[in-house]
Amino acid sequence: KQEVTQIPAALSVPEGENLVLNCSFTDSAIYNLQWFRQDPGKGLTSLLLIQSSQREQTSGRLNASLDKSSGRSTLYIAASQPGDSATYLCAVRGQAGTALIFGKGTTLSVSS
Amino acid sequence: NAGVTQTPKFRVLKTGQSMTLLCAQDMNHEYMYWYRQDPGMGLRLIHYSVGEGTTAKGEVPDGYNVSRLKKQNFLLGLESAAPSQTSVYFCASSPFGRWDGQPQHFGDGTRLSIL
Repeated sequence: KQEVTQIPAALSVPEGENLVLNCSFTDSAIYNLQWFRQDPGKGLTSLLLIQSSQREQTSGRLNASLDKSSGRSTLYIAASQPGDSATYLCAVRGQAGTALIFGKGTTLSVSS
Repeated sequence: NAGVTQTPKFRVLKTGQSMTLLCAQDMNHEYMYWYRQDPGMGLRLIHYSVGEGTTAKGEVPDGYNVSRLKKQNFLLGLESAAPSQTSVYFCASSPFGRWDGQPQHFGDGTRLSIL
């Protein structure tokens, strides 16, 4: 059974820092991996999606990498801002058409 | 650009009452999913559908039923609500075929409290 783990569970940083959020999964046979952002009391916003054949994806200050063989993904946030404060969720898809399996998230707080 | 719309956004029920949560998507997606999100548990799949007229069980299906009579709608029903079903429910959709690698799209959630 696929399990997704996110470390750390919570992270507090001052504004301007570069930071890395970690995601690991137990079964390397994934179809793709998706990073989401969730603000308190809100839904999920897709940030980046990495296909199993890709190594990384970038969007603005965000960069996500994937090492399928080791079962790891990282989300790199450059020059963090208070507006980045949210919970970040990692999810993997085992094969085409199946549902996502989520980690429990990392709650990020960026102070000004 | 409505995307995925969930109705209602909030609801309070008494134990034993029934209700239906509605999910509608306007992206012509084949796949639709219902998840629940609980503190410390993350999001867990309740039921899903791979097309109109199909449904399948997910990780935590007990106490719920679903129907997909129209491609754009996916209904989640609670026949006899229990306090353990207090949660935030999210609906999601994704395309099929050569677009299958596209991201899943989520609704804003339904916050359900059962007293």
